[in-house]
Amino acid sequence: DAKTTQPNSMESNEEEPVHLPCNHSTISGTDYIHWYRQLPSQGPEYVIHGLTSNVNNRMASLAIAEDRKSSTLILHRATLRDAAVYYCTVSGATNKLIFGTGTLLAVQP
Amino acid sequence: KAGVTQTPRYLIKTRGQQVTLSCSPISGHRSVSWYQQTPGQGLQFLFEYFSETQRNKGNFPGRFSGRQFSNSRSEMNVSTLELGDSALYLCASSLSRRNTEAFFGQGTRLTVV
Repeated sequence: DAKTTQPNSMESNEEEPVHLPCNHSTISGTDYIHWYRQLPSQGPEYVIHGLTSNVNNRMASLAIAEDRKSSTLILHRATLRDAAVYYCTVSGATNKLIFGTGTLLAVQP
Repeated sequence: KAGVTQTPRYLIKTRGQQVTLSCSPISGHRSVSWYQQTPGQGLQFLFEYFSETQRNKGNFPGRFSGRQFSNSRSEMNVSTLELGDSALYLCASSLSRRNTEAFFGQGTRLTVV
């Protein structure tokens, strides 16, 4: 199973973009990259996922490096509600998600 | 539509006892996965069920087991509880097995004393 590495914590100011990095150097060719976030006392919430191309949805954008060994989750304008632990995960052709330690994002007003 | 429902939300058990946790997935979802979350080990995959069959299993002892019913509802069982089994147990449901969005429940907080 591919492992992921993320910074333990990051800080951002409200209304500014946030770039959350993730390394997954052992990813295999058919593994997908998923991002989830978790607020206190809640289960993880899906943010975005992709395979090779950059992906956008209403919550965020996912930029995947050409060699797929790293990716970046982009929150275009951080809000206080975006403060959470963000997990980058990698999965094969199944729903088995291997979570790393995640990045605790603090958003300052 | 209703989200993933896990019951009970909180549970206190004594060492050596067994426990059964329940998960009702989102209507129409056929894949149910279970995860254990602890401060020390983080989020760890336990197992995945699809069409009443276990499709994937994480690195946990045989005391951890599960099953899925024909209506996709799932239960997980932990026998001979140990103090280290104290954790938040999360259930996630997905529409299919292939890299789809997983919807998590709020979890069952199990405390073993």
